[in-house]
Amino acid sequence: EAQVTQNPRYLITVTGKKLTVTCSQNMNHEYMSWYRQDPGLGLRQIYYSMNVEVTDKGDVPEGYKVSRKEKRNFPLILESPSPNQTSLYFCASSSRGQGNYGYTFGSGTRLTVV
Amino acid sequence: AQSVTQLDSQVPVFEEAPVELRCNYSSSVSVYLFWYVQYPNQGLQLLLKYLSGSTLVKGINGFEAEFNKSQTSFHLRKPSVHISDTAEYFCAVTPDSNYQLIWGAGTKLIIKP
Repeated sequence: EAQVTQNPRYLITVTGKKLTVTCSQNMNHEYMSWYRQDPGLGLRQIYYSMNVEVTDKGDVPEGYKVSRKEKRNFPLILESPSPNQTSLYFCASSSRGQGNYGYTFGSGTRLTVV
Repeated sequence: AQSVTQLDSQVPVFEEAPVELRCNYSSSVSVYLFWYVQYPNQGLQLLLKYLSGSTLVKGINGFEAEFNKSQTSFHLRKPSVHISDTAEYFCAVTPDSNYQLIWGAGTKLIIKP
């Protein structure tokens, strides 16, 4: 089944403790992206990647890092989480090949930083 | 740059009544348009998308949307809503030149019994 897998689904952590949220897709998509969702703000892009070793900042990159060492994986790293990073996070992948303009989303990671 | 405006943050409607959720966008380039639904405590599900062709697009769960280029709108409609349609609905656009996905702030559909 074509899918984007995010882990963990839920995470509670303390301020300053480094964490990684994993994202993996099995569709050979070149494009991957991370979003955060906050009430009343919709989804805002954190980082995106056009291909292996190609990443770029989105609208709200501060406090986050990403890497794209393999095409299928795009982890989101919070080196020193702070309470304002409490949010719902989504990973997505996409491909424009064969006229497909869809985006596939992971199930989301609800992060709470205390 | 592109932007998306969802004009209503909440839309209350009685069960079995029709509903329209409004979405306007601005863009200087051609765009593709999407509607996503997020049920309570769940992820994002694609309702429908407009890429080209007929401006009336039919999606899942009885929803449809009409692309109006002159009014830069992509309103979502359903002729008769059910309690199960209670969710938040997001409009999004992507320019044909890149992968960026620009989101509206969302509209919560509240179904009154």
